This record gives sequence, structure tokens and C-alpha cells, in this order.
Amino acid sequence: DAGVTQSPTHLIKTRGQHVTLRCSPISGHKSVSWYQQVLGQGPQFIFQYYEKEERGRGNFPDRFSARQFPNYSSELNVNALLLGDSALYLCASIQSTMNTEAFFGQGTRLTVV
Amino acid sequence: DQQVKQNSPSLSVQEGRISILNCDYTNSMFDYFLWYKKYPAEGPTFLISISSIKDKNEDGRFTVFLNKSAKHLSLHIVPSQPGDSAVYFCAAKTGTASKLTFGTGTRLQVTL
Repeated sequence: DAGVTQSPTHLIKTRGQHVTLRCSPISGHKSVSWYQQVLGQGPQFIFQYYEKEERGRGNFPDRFSARQFPNYSSELNVNALLLGDSALYLCASIQSTMNTEAFFGQGTRLTVV
Repeated sequence: DQQVKQNSPSLSVQEGRISILNCDYTNSMFDYFLWYKKYPAEGPTFLISISSIKDKNEDGRFTVFLNKSAKHLSLHIVPSQPGDSAVYFCAAKTGTASKLTFGTGTRLQVTL
């Protein structure tokens, strides 16, 4: 079975632009979470989606939004990019809300210049 | 407010010896704890977890100990191998919530 897949793997954007990151969870997993990891820090929770509904939101500005599709894949959108948005964006796949282990993709490295 | 803390940014251990990675937390609502390993250019890989109803969980070379009264957990790797060299993250969660709160990580280097 394929693991969690994220695209693209690397991305360079200019300040003020918009970006869309994509994630496909493990087959059979219904929940997707997004995390931001800046250099030297642990991943920070951004969003969790389960069955296409938002189930949790971290302390991030409204410029960050996400959605989950009927096939359980997900998109993370960031508007009006700032230099500080440069980070590794990680997607985590969880089978259901009753499961505890989250499985991560390889991440998307976003650089804002 | 850092609710999960890994106070040692790095650790160097000789091959074959024990590696002990430590993690402290402040939120008493956390009831499940996980350790992840991360190599450069890869996402975190789940290693081992422990529920707050236990004080020890073992899986092969990896053992996690939980001291609830001290709000402290540790990951023991015995024996350490060069392939264990990576950044290790401690993470915690509450109830059925999927949100993981991570520490800042400890870089383990296993030397020959």
C-alpha cells in the first residue's frame, strides 16, 4: 500500500502569492491533519479534517485554509504569503478519530522569497 | 507556551551503548504520548507510543517510560546503531483529539 503522498515536494513562491499544497492519505484512512515545521522547531498543528469536516484548528491566521475531498485527499491553501511562511508542511494520515498513531508524508518544502 | 519540551537539542552515543532521550510536558490533560524519528528530507516516522495508564512500553530495541507524577517520559534505545542517527520528536495528545503537540526534537548521533 502506498503511504501518505504529498505534492509538490519543493516549492518557491514570492511574497503575496497564494499556494496550494496537496495530500493523499493512506488508503482507508479518513482523517488528514496538516502541520507546519519551521527550522529548529517541532511540527505545529494547523488543521485536522475527518470525513470532509474540520475537526480542529491550530493557532494560525485566516490566510491558512484547508479542505478534504470525498476521496479523503486534502488541500492546504495559504494566501498572501509571508517570508515567515517558509517551512516544511507535513500531512498526517489517521485511520479514524479513534486511532492514535498518525503517519506522515515526506512533506512539502515551501520557500517564500 | 511550550507544553512539550525536549531540553537536550543533541545527544551523541557510541554504537552498542544505550541512548536515552528525554521529554517533559506541562499539560496534565495529555493522556497519550508518541515518539517519532525524522531523517532529513523525510517526514516523521512513528516509533513507539504509550498510554497514560501504563508506565512502560517496549518494542524491540525501543522502550518508552512514562512518569506521570513528574510529567516526564523517556525513550531508551538499546543497543544504539548508526542507523538510529536522526532527530527524535516527542509528541502528546489528549483523548480522542488527533492534534499532536510536539517537542522541539533531539538530534541523536550514534558514532562508531
